Amino acid sequence: AQRVTQPEKLLSVFKGAPVELKCNYSYSGSPELFWYVQYSRQRLQLLLRHISRESIKGFTADLNKGETSFHLKKPFAQEEDSAMYYCALYSGNTPLVFGKGTRLSVIA
Amino acid sequence: DVKVTQSSRYLVKRTGEKVFLECVQDMDHENMFWYRQDPGLGLRLIYFSYDVKMKEKGDIPEGYSVSREKKERFSLILESASTNQTSMYLCASSLRHMGELFFGEGSRLTVL
Repeated sequence: AQRVTQPEKLLSVFKGAPVELKCNYSYSGSPELFWYVQYSRQRLQLLLRHISRESIKGFTADLNKGETSFHLKKPFAQEEDSAMYYCALYSGNTPLVFGKGTRLSVIA
Repeated sequence: DVKVTQSSRYLVKRTGEKVFLECVQDMDHENMFWYRQDPGLGLRLIYFSYDVKMKEKGDIPEGYSVSREKKERFSLILESASTNQTSMYLCASSLRHMGELFFGEGSRLTVL
């Protein structure tokens, strides 16, 4: 069975500090991993996907198949990064499986 | 831009009432989804549809049904609402790839 684990419900960091939101997955095949974000009073939206290998809003995420992880990182947190972040796994034949989410709070 | 519209943003219903949540997308997407979003539980899939009149159960279909009579519209139905169905309901659509979802703003349902 596919599973996505986000171990932190809440992560608080100071503005300018590095951020790492953890995501681990379990899946026997080759998954596609995604990060979705929901800012206050906005709809949930795609932030980035691992196969794009791009940086969005300063965030990056690298798929580590050995550790089955897809952690989201940003070197310097900004107040506008405060949001709910969901890691999600796509196996190719079933809909996305989401983690339980991590709320990031960036303190000024 | 893809637009997914959930017509009811806030609803308050009584136990036992029948509830309809409507979702419309304007980009000719094949796939549509209903998720339930609860604090600490994340997003859980209720039902999805990959074509008109087709539907598949997700992880938590009990107490819900869906209807997709037209490609652009996907309705979630609670036949007899219960208090444990108080939640935020998110509709989403995707073109072919089920990993890239476009979400609506959500419908917050309170069942008293």
